[in-house]
Amino acid sequence: AQKVTQAQTEISVVEKEDVTLDCVYETRDTTYYLFWYKQPPSGELVFLIRRNSFDEQNEISGRYSWNFQKSTSSFNFTITASQVVDSAVYFCALKGTDKLIFGTGTRLQVFP
Amino acid sequence: DTGVSQDPRHKITKRGQNVTFRCDPISEHNRLYWYRQTLGQGPEFLTYFQNEAQLEKSRLLSDRFSAERPKGSFSTLEIQRTEQGDSAMYLCASSSTVAGGLDTQYFGPGTRLTVL
Repeated sequence: AQKVTQAQTEISVVEKEDVTLDCVYETRDTTYYLFWYKQPPSGELVFLIRRNSFDEQNEISGRYSWNFQKSTSSFNFTITASQVVDSAVYFCALKGTDKLIFGTGTRLQVFP
Repeated sequence: DTGVSQDPRHKITKRGQNVTFRCDPISEHNRLYWYRQTLGQGPEFLTYFQNEAQLEKSRLLSDRFSAERPKGSFSTLEIQRTEQGDSAMYLCASSSTVAGGLDTQYFGPGTRLTVL
């Protein structure tokens, strides 16, 4: 069975702090894909990143970075120098062949 | 490119009534997915289409739920005899698996259903 665990329910930080959101996944597939989505208060899920199981290179995009480690089945997401606009619920998701399996999300609150 | 659109954005209905939601995917996307999200949870898969063919349905999709994508473009999700437990956000996503498409799913704004 496939499963995604986001153990952090809610995180609060002050602006400019760095924050890491954890994601642990379970799958028996050898080929799979991992995603992060952001859901701001407006409700629409916004795609952030996709990573396939054969590519363990870390990725950096502006203030965002992702650390994929197959050995620990983790795909963690770090926001550097957080901003109030980063406040949202962040979902990690796993895909085998088609549908996405989501975690329960981590609510990030960034205070000014 | 216009994103995924959903209509209506909000629907309030009484228990026992039928409701229908519409999703318009990103143009040229061949796959269309429906998910349901309840408060404090991540989205859960309901069903998906490749072109007009419905390829998979979740066990969550009871007999009261039906989805169509008649011409491989927009899709409708109908819930018959609504129950209070159907109250949720219904999310639609589309993706492309043709011409190098990576099947990354892009989501619409959702339809929030409240069953009284």
